Amino acid sequence: EAQVTQNPRYLITVTGKKLTVTCSQNMNHEYMSWYRQDPGLGLRQIYYSMNVEVTDKGDVPEGYKVSRKEKRNFPLILESPSPNQTSLYFCASSPEQGGRAFFGQGTRLTVV
Amino acid sequence: AQKVTQAQTEISVVEKEDVTLDCVYETRDTTYYLFWYKQPPSGELVFLIRRNSFDEQNEISGRYSWNFQKSTSSFNFTITASQVVDSAVYFCALTRLDWGGGNKLTFGTGTQLKVEL
Repeated sequence: EAQVTQNPRYLITVTGKKLTVTCSQNMNHEYMSWYRQDPGLGLRQIYYSMNVEVTDKGDVPEGYKVSRKEKRNFPLILESPSPNQTSLYFCASSPEQGGRAFFGQGTRLTVV
Repeated sequence: AQKVTQAQTEISVVEKEDVTLDCVYETRDTTYYLFWYKQPPSGELVFLIRRNSFDEQNEISGRYSWNFQKSTSSFNFTITASQVVDSAVYFCALTRLDWGGGNKLTFGTGTQLKVEL
């Protein structure tokens, strides 16, 4: 089944403790992205990647890192999480520039 | 910079009513794509439609229809004979096609649709 898989689905952590949210897709898509969803703000793009080793900032990249060492994986790294990063996070992949995005199930992160 | 505005924060209708969700966008690009996604209470994001900037034909898919008007920079979504299962948050989104190969996607803030019996 074609899908984007994020893990974990839920995470509660403490301020400053490094964490990684994993994202994997099995559709051989070139493009992958991370978004955060906050009430009243919709979804905002954090980072995106056009291919292996090629990444670029979205609209809200501060406090996040990404890597794309393999085509299928695009982890989101929070080196020192803060409470303002409490949010619902979505990973997505797309077969082409401007193509439809296939979203993961979401990761609800709480930073206390 | 590109921007998507969904001015309707929340809409409530009674089942079987028609409802239109508005989407207004801003972009300086001539080539772009517009999207609608649905987010039901379970939280996943469901793709509904993609439309490129050169195709202004309206589209109908069952009870769903979309009206794209470049002259007013709008891409409105109508649900005919709404049903309770249509209750969800609906997002309009815009992506540009830049020469660098980027894939920046901008979402509106969403419209919460509640369909009641």
